Amino acid sequence: QSALTQPASVSGSPGETITISCTGTSSDVGGYQYVSWYQQHPGKAPKLMIYDVTNRPSGVSNRFSGSKSDNTASLTISGLQAEDEADYYCNSYTSSSTPLFGGGTKLTVL
Amino acid sequence: QAQLVESGGGLVRPGGSLRLSCAASGFTFSDYYMTWIRQAPGKGLEWLSYISHGSSYTKYADSVKDRFTISRDNAKNSLYLQMDSLRAGDTAVYYCVKVGQWPNTFDFWGQGTLVTVSS
Repeated sequence: QSALTQPASVSGSPGETITISCTGTSSDVGGYQYVSWYQQHPGKAPKLMIYDVTNRPSGVSNRFSGSKSDNTASLTISGLQAEDEADYYCNSYTSSSTPLFGGGTKLTVL
Repeated sequence: QAQLVESGGGLVRPGGSLRLSCAASGFTFSDYYMTWIRQAPGKGLEWLSYISHGSSYTKYADSVKDRFTISRDNAKNSLYLQMDSLRAGDTAVYYCVKVGQWPNTFDFWGQGTLVTVSS
């Protein structure tokens, strides 16, 4: 099963808003309300940022938000900060009853 | 605070076996699905396997099915991954992860253990 499609890299300046897309099919992203997003800093374990498309875990900044339209999910980060520079991964449940990750996106804060 | 500590990684020859362990604390281990996720050097995340609370349900990624076996011991608050017929492509950091909410709310991760498959 091929990974969900994410842009390899995105960038933005402090204070700006950026969006990372995650494109799949009707058998994964489009078929379920089960998309999650993870932030990973170099050398660290990933951290859950968004679950069930739009929900934010306790302790995650409200600058992070999630959405979905058809077969594409999106993670939006507003008020970009230097500490947001990291790799971001989406994940979707699939019709094979397994989770599937995206290829990852490197966010650079200029 | 939840804590997950993996162990058992190391260098193994192609075709060899290795058993990873994960010690859980800070939460009621038996209440949650658990999963293993790996990350090859410089690459993305790959989901490997689920196990249900009482071990009645397991699921594997095609890439490891029939080679890897997930198990748990709720009395010991421990998760395991038996890895057989290892290949160079299995070289990765392996993470033990708590499934906060089925199916893909991976809400707490261990620090990972490195498995290197090389001759």
